[in-house]
Formats: sequence, C-alpha cells, structure tokens
Amino acid sequence: GAVVSQHPSRVICKSGTSVKIECRSLDFQATTMFWYRQFPKQSLMLMATSNEGSKATYEQGVEKDKFLINHASLTLSTLTVTSAHPEDSSFYICSAGTDLNTGELFFGEGSRLTVL
Amino acid sequence: DAKTTQPPSMDCAEGRAANLPCNHSTISGNEYVYWYRQIHSQGPQYIIHGLKNNETNEMASLIITEDRKSSTLILPHATLRDTAVYYCIVFSGSARQLTFGSGTQLTVLP
Repeated sequence: GAVVSQHPSRVICKSGTSVKIECRSLDFQATTMFWYRQFPKQSLMLMATSNEGSKATYEQGVEKDKFLINHASLTLSTLTVTSAHPEDSSFYICSAGTDLNTGELFFGEGSRLTVL
Repeated sequence: DAKTTQPPSMDCAEGRAANLPCNHSTISGNEYVYWYRQIHSQGPQYIIHGLKNNETNEMASLIITEDRKSSTLILPHATLRDTAVYYCIVFSGSARQLTFGSGTQLTVLP
C-alpha cells in the first residue's frame, strides 16, 4: 500500500534555532500533503495544507512565517519551524493521499520536536 | 466544530469483540464516516469507511444506523496490539480535509 515517510522521527534543538521536517510519499505522487500538530494527550490539529508548486494554505491561528512549508516536488513536502521555542515542542505529522476526494489518507510516522 | 461524539475511553478483554460507538447526528447526505486509529507515538492508520451500508474489511466492521446518525466500529477479536486511540471522522469530498475529534482510547486487557 501507499507509504508516507517522515524524517527525522525525533529532533531536539535549542530555543531560537530552526528545524526542518521532511515528508515523502514513497510510492505515489502527492500534489497535496497535510501537516498536523499534536500536543500530549490531545488530538491532531490540522496546521496547513501543502500544495505542490504553490503556496500552502494555513489554518486559522497558525503563523505562516513561523511554520514554513515548501512542496517543491510531487513526493516531498517540508515543514520548517523557524526560531523554535519550547512551546513549539510537539508531535508533527504529515499525511497524503492518492485521491483527495476520499478521506483515505496515509500518515507519516510523525516527528517529535523538543525545543530546549 | 465537533461533528462526532465518542466516549473518551473503553476497555475490552483480549479475544473479545470491541465495539466502539460514534455519534454523528448532524451528518449530511454526502458525508462519509471514516475510522482511523493511532497507536501511541505513531501516525494515524486508516481502518475503514462507509456511507450508508455496513462495511467489512480485514481489520474491522463498520455498522451505520439507518438514519446515519451513529455508527459502531467492531474489532471482532481484539488483541493487545489493538490498544490505541480510535477516531471517528465525518468526511466530505468538498472539504478534502480530515478533522480529528478527541477519539476513544481503547485499552485491550490481557
């Protein structure tokens, strides 16, 4: 079946630095990918929709200048957390699907960011 | 804007059927019911979906009431590896997004 892979799975960084998380669709092309954030003991919250070749669409309350999304190819989307702070520590998860008219998405393994 | 309501937690004995309920009383005619699960510290995994009819696959069965206001996910023979948070999601093709609610933490007990 379709596979979505994220890297890194865990990252620890110092406050003020930037961190890049990659999301790859391994065996299908994804014109659209979704980025979610999940805080401990909470549900997944959609952050943004990443569109290949165009600007990402951000959900209300998500700062586009802080969470930079680049979707430069049909198999890769990146999320960069700029000037990270401890409150940005979270589990970041991406997803993609072969047919977005359905709700069947494939999720990456998630990337756990810890900002010290 | 929560479109589904699920109990926060449930327990099930290993080997028994796990029946997870979901209320979606405001579901529209063109909206599907999707179920995902998330094992701790992993990305969600698709389980099953349906519109009106009951559905079954190798993982689970989905029973949707005739009025479509509620549904039940059935794991016929739960194992310890089925311990996870189960999310019931109402999805429409026009929205093209999955909105996760709070889900049900299912704990399968030995």
